[in-house]
Amino acid sequence: ELKVEQNPLFLSMQEGKNYTIYCNYSTTSDRLYWYRQDPGKSLESLFVLLSNGAVKQEGRLMASLDTKARLSTLHITAAVHDLSATYFCAVDGTSGSRLTFGEGTQLTVNP
Amino acid sequence: GAGVSQTPSNKVTEKGKYVELRCDPISGHTALYWYRQSLGQGPEFLIYFQGTGAADDSGLPNDRFFAVRPEGSVSTLKIQRTERGDSAVYLCASSRDYNYEQYFGPGTRLTVT
Repeated sequence: ELKVEQNPLFLSMQEGKNYTIYCNYSTTSDRLYWYRQDPGKSLESLFVLLSNGAVKQEGRLMASLDTKARLSTLHITAAVHDLSATYFCAVDGTSGSRLTFGEGTQLTVNP
Repeated sequence: GAGVSQTPSNKVTEKGKYVELRCDPISGHTALYWYRQSLGQGPEFLIYFQGTGAADDSGLPNDRFFAVRPEGSVSTLKIQRTERGDSAVYLCASSRDYNYEQYFGPGTRLTVT
């Protein structure tokens, strides 16, 4: 059974600081997604990582994938309050259809 | 273009009642997925349709849950004899085809009292 673990689960940081969220998964997969969810809202796609070594950046967020280590990271640079949200990583397993999500990282950026 | 839509946005029902939740996928998307998200958790897979057929229903928790997609577009998730533990946000997603990126709808918040 595919398991996806994120850490930390809760992250409170000051504006302007940098931090990294980690996503580990238990079985082989070449496709990993990062989503953002605001309270009471649905999931907004941030990144799709399709191969080992993939790195994608959008604004203050950068995501990377190491399929050998079964690890993805979401790096936040110079955080701003607008980044406050819950971030999920999700992996599609060998079936290639269903996504398995991590527990989510609730990020709060304090002014 | 229009995204995935779900109705109703909120549903409150009494324990033991029957409910139907509707999902309208993005036009032309052949794959459709249902997930359930409990408070403070990540979404959990329920069922996946490719066209009209359920290609993977292994995530349905028990036989009170059933889903259909009779014409390969709109899907309905049906829950019989609802229980308080069924309270959650039910998310629908669609993708162009098998193995393509999934786009999520706004969800239906189900509350069973």
